[in-house]
Amino acid sequence: DQQVKQNSPSLSVQEGRISILNCDYTNSMFDYFLWYKKYPAEGPTFLISISSIKDKNEDGRFTVFLNKSAKHLSLHIVPSQPGDSAVYFCAVYNRDDKIIFGKGTRLHILP
Amino acid sequence: DGGITQSPKYLFRKEGQNVTLSCEQNLNHDAMYWYRQDPGQGLRLIYYSQIVNDFQKGDIAEGYSVSREKKESFPLTVTSAQKNPTAFYLCASTQPLGGDEKLFFGSGTQLSVL
Repeated sequence: DQQVKQNSPSLSVQEGRISILNCDYTNSMFDYFLWYKKYPAEGPTFLISISSIKDKNEDGRFTVFLNKSAKHLSLHIVPSQPGDSAVYFCAVYNRDDKIIFGKGTRLHILP
Repeated sequence: DGGITQSPKYLFRKEGQNVTLSCEQNLNHDAMYWYRQDPGQGLRLIYYSQIVNDFQKGDIAEGYSVSREKKESFPLTVTSAQKNPTAFYLCASTQPLGGDEKLFFGSGTQLSVL
């Protein structure tokens, strides 16, 4: 049973518009939530994280929102740029356990 | 520069052969992880180690083995019991007590079966 779900396998967004990637989780005890970006044949790179005591964290064009009551996490990228085309993984972390990844969402930025 | 080094970049395995993927980190991290990526499957955890000389099975440990004799090294052996080894393998590390938990990944090893 998946503890972390990214229900959209792919997403296409016009360059300059906002990209919104979504993630749902099942366990309310998770401590940290993270987003990673991955290009083909490379290791994922860390983008942004948020702890369970916050509901928003912003870093440049990237903002992560956490809705604990809905067990929902989202990543907003604005404005979207061509280099943002990649696979984005949502991950959750419990300090006493392992880090669990979603299946990823492939983002296509259209010219 | 600190980081995680995986080798080789590409690896081919013959039927019935064991192969070992190397992962070395100089970040002084206590925890290390091995993930496998298949198309449409995301990243699935094979094994992880929170400290030297200790490791735990992840979600898909069957057909794999690991060791953690040194803090900086966490090699993964793909045994002949793993019937579908073709995948992209990723090693990662983190410092669990750092307060800002984020995994650092290596550049990956693509394993294929001949």
